Amino acid sequence: SQTIHQWPATLVQPVGSPLSLECTVEGTSNPNLYWYRQAAGRGLQLLFYSVGIGQISSEVPQNLSASRPQDRQFILSSKKLLLSDSGFYLCAWSTLAGARNIQYFGAGTRLSVL
Amino acid sequence: AQSVAQPEDQVNVAEGNPLTVKCTYSVSGNPYLFWYVQYPNRGLQFLLKYITGDNLVKGSYGFEAEFNKSQTSFHLKKPSALVSDSALYFCAVSLNSGYSTLTFGKGTMLLVSP
Repeated sequence: SQTIHQWPATLVQPVGSPLSLECTVEGTSNPNLYWYRQAAGRGLQLLFYSVGIGQISSEVPQNLSASRPQDRQFILSSKKLLLSDSGFYLCAWSTLAGARNIQYFGAGTRLSVL
Repeated sequence: AQSVAQPEDQVNVAEGNPLTVKCTYSVSGNPYLFWYVQYPNRGLQFLLKYITGDNLVKGSYGFEAEFNKSQTSFHLKKPSALVSDSALYFCAVSLNSGYSTLTFGKGTMLLVSP
């Protein structure tokens, strides 16, 4: 069966520090991968998605970047964190390109920037 | 552009009573529609989806949703609520054409009282 792992589960970082959140998927090949941010316990904002290694689409211009160095690995990064980067970050995957496919979510990383 | 509206921030219902969580959508074409549930500090879990066919879709944990094209709605329902159904519910839409990302509503908190 397929599983998705996100780490760390929680993270407290000072303003101006770098960030690296990792997401990996097991049990499937060539997944589509997504990073979302959920602020204040509500609505999800799609940040990045990837349909293949090295292919990243950005939905919202911001202080963050994403990379996909391997087929089942998706990394969210920042060189210098801002207070506004605080939130709950969720990684998700789906099997095929196409709107009909279910996205499966990881457990999330709660980031607090102080 | 596609969008989702969940008009209620919170829905309160007594255990054993039927529940409805409302969702309306807007897309420039035929939609794919999804419901997800999120428990505190967890990722989203898929409940059900509408792709085509029967307007009444049955999903996990006894939930169902009715697609109404004329009203552009996809309300989530359950005949008898459980206290354990208390969670945050998200409606999502994507376009039935090519590759399209999911757009989520802002979420509705369901509170089921004993």
